[in-house]
Amino acid sequence: GAVVSQHPSRVICKSGTSVKIECRSLDFQATTMFWYRQFPKQSLMLMATSNEGSKATYEQGVEKDKFLINHASLTLSTLTVTSAHPEDSSFYICSARNEDSNTEAFFGQGTRLTVV
Amino acid sequence: GQNIDQPTEMTATEGAIVQINCTYQTSGFNGLFWYQQHAGEAPTFLSYNVLDGLEEKGRFSSFLSRSKGYSYLLLKELQMKDSASYLCAVKDSNYQLIWGAGTKLIIKP
Repeated sequence: GAVVSQHPSRVICKSGTSVKIECRSLDFQATTMFWYRQFPKQSLMLMATSNEGSKATYEQGVEKDKFLINHASLTLSTLTVTSAHPEDSSFYICSARNEDSNTEAFFGQGTRLTVV
Repeated sequence: GQNIDQPTEMTATEGAIVQINCTYQTSGFNGLFWYQQHAGEAPTFLSYNVLDGLEEKGRFSSFLSRSKGYSYLLLKELQMKDSASYLCAVKDSNYQLIWGAGTKLIIKP
């Protein structure tokens, strides 16, 4: 089946620094990728929709200048958390849509971000 | 607004059957998904329903009634490894997934 690889799986960074998370579709081309954030014991919250070759679409309340998304190729989208703060600590998950499949998506492994 | 409701937590016994319900109110409907999520891991796809009725896949079955805005996930012959959160999600008229908060399923021996 389709595989989505997300890296890193876990990262600890100092407050004020930036962190880049990569999401790759390994065996299919993904024109659309999704970035979610999940706080403990809460549901997945869509942050933004990443479109290859164009600007990402951000959900209401998500700061586009803080969460930079780049989808430069059909197999790679990146999320950069800029000037991270402790409140940004969360589980970030990407998913990629396989246009040939009815399933939404295949998810990456997730990235546990801890800002200290 | 859009809303997905499912129980917060359920407990069942190993070997038994459990049914996890999901009700939804969304702007449009383009399919309902069930995902399994173990703690600290990303969700994994379980099932997809777009037409009314029951979809069976091994020990797991999913049912949909669009007129009632209702679905359930049925897990049979429960195993300890089935302990996880089960997420219901609906694709709305914009083809965007709306997620429920998830049901934490605890399996006891």
